[in-house]
Amino acid sequence: GQNIDQPTEMTATEGAIVQINCTYQTSGFNGLFWYQQHAGEAPTFLSYNVLDGLEEKGRFSSFLSRSKGYSYLLLKELQMKDSASYLCAVLDSNYQLIWGAGTKLIIKP
Amino acid sequence: IAGITQAPTSQILAAGRRMTLRCTQDMRHNAMYWYRQDLGLGLRLIHYSNTAGTTGKGEVPDGYSVSRANTDDFPLTLASAVPSQTSVYFCASSNSGTETQYFGPGTRLLVL
Repeated sequence: GQNIDQPTEMTATEGAIVQINCTYQTSGFNGLFWYQQHAGEAPTFLSYNVLDGLEEKGRFSSFLSRSKGYSYLLLKELQMKDSASYLCAVLDSNYQLIWGAGTKLIIKP
Repeated sequence: IAGITQAPTSQILAAGRRMTLRCTQDMRHNAMYWYRQDLGLGLRLIHYSNTAGTTGKGEVPDGYSVSRANTDDFPLTLASAVPSQTSVYFCASSNSGTETQYFGPGTRLLVL
């Protein structure tokens, strides 16, 4: 079966750095997406990785290792508004997105 | 409008009733999707459409039907609602099946 694993919840301090991990086992791989979802709102796109390595976009970076079936999302200089759920999703061999259950990130002052 | 709209925002529905959730996008995206999101679970794909006139089944299609008569609209119908269909429903669209999906605001459905 297909599986995406990410921690259920993480807590971090305002101004700090946090890394959210995602491991996957899917039938094929055509890219990995990270989305942010604030409570009661729709998911919004953060990043896309299809090749190994680090993609940096402002305070957010995303890393991919296809051989290890592993990705992480790195958030720097945390702000209170970063309190949200972060969803990892893999585009499988049928070009369907397989979603993790999401990591709820709590930011404390 | 710019993006994706969904209607209604929320709905309480009696079991056994028929319900259509509406989704409209103005980005001229070819592909559209319906997901449900339940607490503790990832988004699960119900149905999708890669282009107007075609539809396909996702991971959890039972009890749901869709149509794609034109590029902009992708309604989801529950023929006879059951309590297990209580969920938040998101519509999404993308330029193609391999590109970033953009989500509507969601419809919160409670089936009693």
